[in-house]
Amino acid sequence: DAGITQSPRHKVTETGTPVTLRCHQTENHRYMYWYRQDPGHGLRLIHYSYGVKDTDKGEVSDGYSVSRSKTEDFLLTLESATSSQTSVYFCAISEAGQSSYNEQFFGPGTRLTVL
Amino acid sequence: AQTVTQSQPEMSVQEAETVTLSCTYDTSENNYYLFWYKQPPSRQMILVIRQEAYKQQNATENRFSVNFQKAAKSFSLKISDSQLGDTAMYFCAYNAGNMLTFGGGTRLMVKP
Repeated sequence: DAGITQSPRHKVTETGTPVTLRCHQTENHRYMYWYRQDPGHGLRLIHYSYGVKDTDKGEVSDGYSVSRSKTEDFLLTLESATSSQTSVYFCAISEAGQSSYNEQFFGPGTRLTVL
Repeated sequence: AQTVTQSQPEMSVQEAETVTLSCTYDTSENNYYLFWYKQPPSRQMILVIRQEAYKQQNATENRFSVNFQKAAKSFSLKISDSQLGDTAMYFCAYNAGNMLTFGGGTRLMVKP
């Protein structure tokens, strides 16, 4: 299994509070991604990173920010959590970009509940 | 924007039988990649099979095979000799650039 960990694995928070999710990899892969999974929507890309300090927006980026100060860590921040951000969040990594044939490896997911 | 549609929210199959999961997509691109991912109850996302659009030959991985119809923009997954461990959510996904687009998923139940 690819070395990807996510923390925390579960979190319950209140509306309006900031939340940061962490993705850590030991594979030294260049690309890292954050997705959210909601019933009926599959996984949708929030943000991705193609190198240290290089990030770009995905399909559902509103209300989220990311940072990558080291190759191995990719942080997802909800500045002011809302109930619509209740979801399961997945981190993924790949050796090359999504435009390549390379497989994306997924972390175990973080279940976030915003009350 | 590309869209991926999985029209079967839920399916069931008897153990040892064959089942086909449907996927259609919308794109104006000529070169792209298609994937099927499996998500068992553990929630882990697992790549099952992948197909390059410029390859006419359908991909096969053991009991899993695809029927890729480029003109029809269809990419179905066939599971032969279904096993109890195949019970999972299955997601079709499309990639032609910087975004991997997923379908809504099909929940497959394999019955003993």
